[in-house]
Amino acid sequence: DAKTTQPPSMDCAEGRAANLPCNHSTISGNEYVYWYRQIHSQGPQYIIHGLKNNETNEMASLIITEDRKSSTLILPHATLRDTAVYYCIVTLRDDKIIFGKGTRLHILP
Amino acid sequence: DVKVTQSSRYLVKRTGEKVFLECVQDMDHENMFWYRQDPGLGLRLIYFSYDVKMKEKGDIPEGYSVSREKKERFSLILESASTNQTSMYLCASSFLWGPETQYFGPGTRLLVL
Repeated sequence: DAKTTQPPSMDCAEGRAANLPCNHSTISGNEYVYWYRQIHSQGPQYIIHGLKNNETNEMASLIITEDRKSSTLILPHATLRDTAVYYCIVTLRDDKIIFGKGTRLHILP
Repeated sequence: DVKVTQSSRYLVKRTGEKVFLECVQDMDHENMFWYRQDPGLGLRLIYFSYDVKMKEKGDIPEGYSVSREKKERFSLILESASTNQTSMYLCASSFLWGPETQYFGPGTRLLVL
C-alpha cells in the first residue's frame, strides 16, 4: 500500500515551473514525505523530503499543506532532462520505501 | 560520488535456470537492498541486508534468496527462474537508515523465457 495518490502523467513546457501534486490523506504525525524520480533506464534518484515545513534544495522545493494531507513538488525551471517518473512516498524515517506508480512528467520543448 | 554497480544491464535466461544478480557499492555502506520494478506496480522490496551475512525479507521474497559475504557486495539469487520473475531488478545501498540516503544502481532487466 503506497499511501499516496498521484496523477499518472503531466506535461510542462521547458523553462516553466513544474508542479507535481501528491495526496496523502492518511499520513501519520511522524511520517515523512519523500520524493524520488526515475529517469528512463536509470535507477531512482532521491530529490527531497520533509515533515511539516516547506523545504528547498538545489533540485526542487517541497510544499506541504498545513494539515499535511497533500504536498507539491516544484521544479522551478524545468528542462528536458527533468523528463522522468516522479514518486511521492510517505514513510517513517527508519522504515522501508514503498514506491507507488508515480507521475510521468513530460517536459515539452 | 556514491557508485552502485550491477553486473549486467540486460540478461536473458531460461525457465528453471539458476540466476545470479550481483550488486557492488564502493562507499562502505552498511545497508543494501534488492527491489524489483514492474509496470503499474512501482518498486517492491525483495530482500535487504544491514550487515555482512545478515539478511531480512522484504515484501516479496518468495522465489529469491540473497547472499552478503562481503560488505560491498550483495547478490540476489533466483534458484529456479520462472517467467513471472521477468522484471527490472534494482539494487540500492545506504549508510544510514532513511529513504533519503538510498543510492540506486542502474538496474538489470531480466527476461526469463
